[in-house]
Amino acid sequence: GAGVSQSPSNKVTEKGKDVELRCDPISGHTALYWYRQSLGQGLEFLIYFQGNSAPDKSGLPSDRFSAERTGGSVSTLTIQRTQQEDSAVYLCASNGLAGVTGELFFGEGSRLTVL
Amino acid sequence: KQEVTQIPAALSVPEGENLVLNCSFTDSAIYNLQWFRQDPGKGLTSLLLIQSSQREQTSGRLNASLDKSSGRSTLYIAASQPGDSATYLCAVPPGTGTASKLTFGTGTRLQVTL
Repeated sequence: GAGVSQSPSNKVTEKGKDVELRCDPISGHTALYWYRQSLGQGLEFLIYFQGNSAPDKSGLPSDRFSAERTGGSVSTLTIQRTQQEDSAVYLCASNGLAGVTGELFFGEGSRLTVL
Repeated sequence: KQEVTQIPAALSVPEGENLVLNCSFTDSAIYNLQWFRQDPGKGLTSLLLIQSSQREQTSGRLNASLDKSSGRSTLYIAASQPGDSATYLCAVPPGTGTASKLTFGTGTRLQVTL
């Protein structure tokens, strides 16, 4: 696509439910990143994909968080048994350079609210 | 561990004024530095990317400089306009380790008034 697309744009869920957030990167971009932005906080790195592999997932905050990428394109971030502290904007970004950061292009984000 | 600081945290200027936003980082062994803009409730828009071998980059009314040795970058905005009102973020990869893991500053919130 022309830009990084994320869905849903807004998600309200109850504590304990599972949620899935989707990211469709720019066509041809091999690198994909997930970041989290909590209210009043900076951006926090979660996971990095190169193709379908995740060489760096050190930012995932707990084992309730997981992510996958298929076909070298779409990625899904799954949060199981959501907690109120998971409320944040989840941002996806992509670029076309393998291994070395080039210019990052971000989506509009998925705003998650856990009640 | 890379740490990024942006000063000031907030800035209000009248339309037409030139302004400078500052970004400093602790580990100078970086590949590049990127400046972003974030509008309220929106994602990040890339403004400028400076490679480690470059001293500055320009795009329209924006000019970003990089001084690796001192761990500093500045974003200069000329002839500011109300549409420039947003939060400006700088980001750098770590000096060592996984280049993918960008560290962001907490941003400078800019308001340009009429």
